[in-house]
Amino acid sequence: QSALTQPPSASGSPGESVTVSCTGSSSDIGGSNYVSWYQQHPGKAPKLLICEVNKRPSGVPDRFSGSKSGNTASLTVSGLQAEDEADYYCSSYAGSYNWVFGGGTKLTVL
Amino acid sequence: QVQLVESGGGVVQPGRSLRLSCAVSGFTFSIYAMHWVRQAPDKGLEWVAVISSDGSNKQYADSVKGRFTISRDNSKNTLNLQMDSLRAEDTAVYYCARKWFYMDVWGKGTTVTVSS
Repeated sequence: QSALTQPPSASGSPGESVTVSCTGSSSDIGGSNYVSWYQQHPGKAPKLLICEVNKRPSGVPDRFSGSKSGNTASLTVSGLQAEDEADYYCSSYAGSYNWVFGGGTKLTVL
Repeated sequence: QVQLVESGGGVVQPGRSLRLSCAVSGFTFSIYAMHWVRQAPDKGLEWVAVISSDGSNKQYADSVKGRFTISRDNSKNTLNLQMDSLRAEDTAVYYCARKWFYMDVWGKGTTVTVSS
């Protein structure tokens, strides 16, 4: 159950696009259609942003998009806004009733 | 509206036990799998345990296997986490979350501090 690898930080100016990567293995991301992304503001609970690699739950702006290639998943935030400043976590179902999270990426809006 | 409310957190000495609960409302609890996820101070999220909708299937992270027990009471719309032999490294905010392959609704969390 090794954690997925995310860059500790990312940044962008308002209106720009930022992509956060999440690298795992063939046992999790590479072998799963159940990659999800969560947004967490300080002191708050995580919020589901993306499920099943690239699906947005109702209410999530279409500025947020997800993708996967091989063992790496990506979250892209387009048209950055001040309220997007938060921590972002990826997660994957790893089979055999196991789940794994990434270490988190702190997104700063400059 | 859909709501998950955790309770039972507190300060406990190493080696002691604590029981967390998650009361749910606003949806049919009995048809959803449920998770516990924790977050140590200034750290990332860590998956802890999952239980299927009918309670027949349970799984745990290696870090808590043999010490923690997840359970549910579908008649009371309640999810539980019995934590035994607590260690300092179990100090965290514990969240309950809904659904199987991903967590679509989260509670606000309850804080567990293991310290002598």
